[in-house]
Amino acid sequence: DTGVSQDPRHKITKRGQNVTFRCDPISEHNRLYWYRQTLGQGPEFLTYFQNEAQLEKSRLLSDRFSAERPKGSFSTLEIQRTEQGDSAMYLCASSVGTVNTEAFFGQGTRLTVV
Amino acid sequence: EDKVVQSPLSLVVHEGDTVTLNCSYEVTNFRSLLWYKQEKKAPTFLFMLTSSGIEKKSGRLSSILDKKELFSILNITATQTGDSAVYLCAENTNAGKSTFGDGTTLTVKP
Repeated sequence: DTGVSQDPRHKITKRGQNVTFRCDPISEHNRLYWYRQTLGQGPEFLTYFQNEAQLEKSRLLSDRFSAERPKGSFSTLEIQRTEQGDSAMYLCASSVGTVNTEAFFGQGTRLTVV
Repeated sequence: EDKVVQSPLSLVVHEGDTVTLNCSYEVTNFRSLLWYKQEKKAPTFLFMLTSSGIEKKSGRLSSILDKKELFSILNITATQTGDSAVYLCAENTNAGKSTFGDGTTLTVKP
């Protein structure tokens, strides 16, 4: 399978715990994006990378969230001290080239904070 | 930040009907307008529009962009139950990220 892969697909955690998600983009794609989606809303931009450089981070993203893409390949998104409001689908997408190309999405990681 | 507004929020039709979904956007640093279909999990790409007045077509689906009115429509003709999904519109900016609308939920009844 050469699509965008996300792991885990589902995560249930207790409030206050840390969680980490992984995204493996399509192999030749240099851009990688993280979005968050809650029920009834469209994906909301969190952050994106071009190769290993994190180029933009949403102002909505608190400092409990951090993302890395250490070698310009896979990426991780960590949420520290999770809160119930963090419950959502976390989507990863990748694209090739610069700005005017479509992004291909992974199946997402559904996070439930109890 | 740019805002993308889709209408209607939801739509119920019968098989064979034609539907038109609407998307309006703001212009700051606009590069392209994209349409995605989301069934259960991942949004899947449908169209990317960059120029006004040029229709993109794929089977029963078509889309067009009006950069003067900051508007795009997605048409689906002869709808089928398999067209039932959330249709998302997104604006790509110079920064490369996409700003999504909240989607139109289409339900096609047999």
